[in-house]
Amino acid sequence: DQQVKQNSPSLSVQEGRISILNCDYTNSMFDYFLWYKKYPAEGPTFLISISSIKDKNEDGRFTVFLNKSAKHLSLHIVPSQPGDSAVYFCAAASYTGANSKLTFGKGITLSVRP
Amino acid sequence: KAGVTQTPRYLIKTRGQQVTLSCSPISGHRSVSWYQQTPGQGLQFLFEYFSETQRNKGNFPGRFSGRQFSNSRSEMNVSTLELGDSALYLCASSLGGGAAGNEKLFFGSGTQLSVL
Repeated sequence: DQQVKQNSPSLSVQEGRISILNCDYTNSMFDYFLWYKKYPAEGPTFLISISSIKDKNEDGRFTVFLNKSAKHLSLHIVPSQPGDSAVYFCAAASYTGANSKLTFGKGITLSVRP
Repeated sequence: KAGVTQTPRYLIKTRGQQVTLSCSPISGHRSVSWYQQTPGQGLQFLFEYFSETQRNKGNFPGRFSGRQFSNSRSEMNVSTLELGDSALYLCASSLGGGAAGNEKLFFGSGTQLSVL
């Protein structure tokens, strides 16, 4: 049962344009969402997060939007740069104390063309 | 501060063998989580250890086990290897004091296991 879904396996964008990466979830108990970025031969690194009390969080070129009613979040990268080419994982967790865990999606491979 | 260190970087085993992977967390981090990454399934949670106790477990068979030592270093063991166990195994550490979503995970580069 895939509770966090990243339905598009890949995305290709021109440098300088906006990249929009989508993520859907099914578990209504999730109330904290994170994005991780992974380059080949490296482990994932934390990118940005958002709690369910917000609908937007911004950090430089990266903005995450959360639509709780639709159980949908998206990561916007503006402007996209070739160095952003990587696999992006969406993850979710619930505030059930120390026994909670992160549930990851399958990832989206972003390619930014120069 | 040194990052999360995983050894070995690459492993080749044959079916039926067992394997042990090692993870050294960031100094001061008390939680260590293990994930399996495969092309078709993304990152799948195996288990999490905190203060030498397994605090959370994913949906993997009992062939997958782990442990954590008093210095927070962790090992993961897979017995009776199957072809489907070929994957990148990632370890992540965090301070461990709060809810999973509230804590940033720091990942190692992983151990690439190939089962022939």
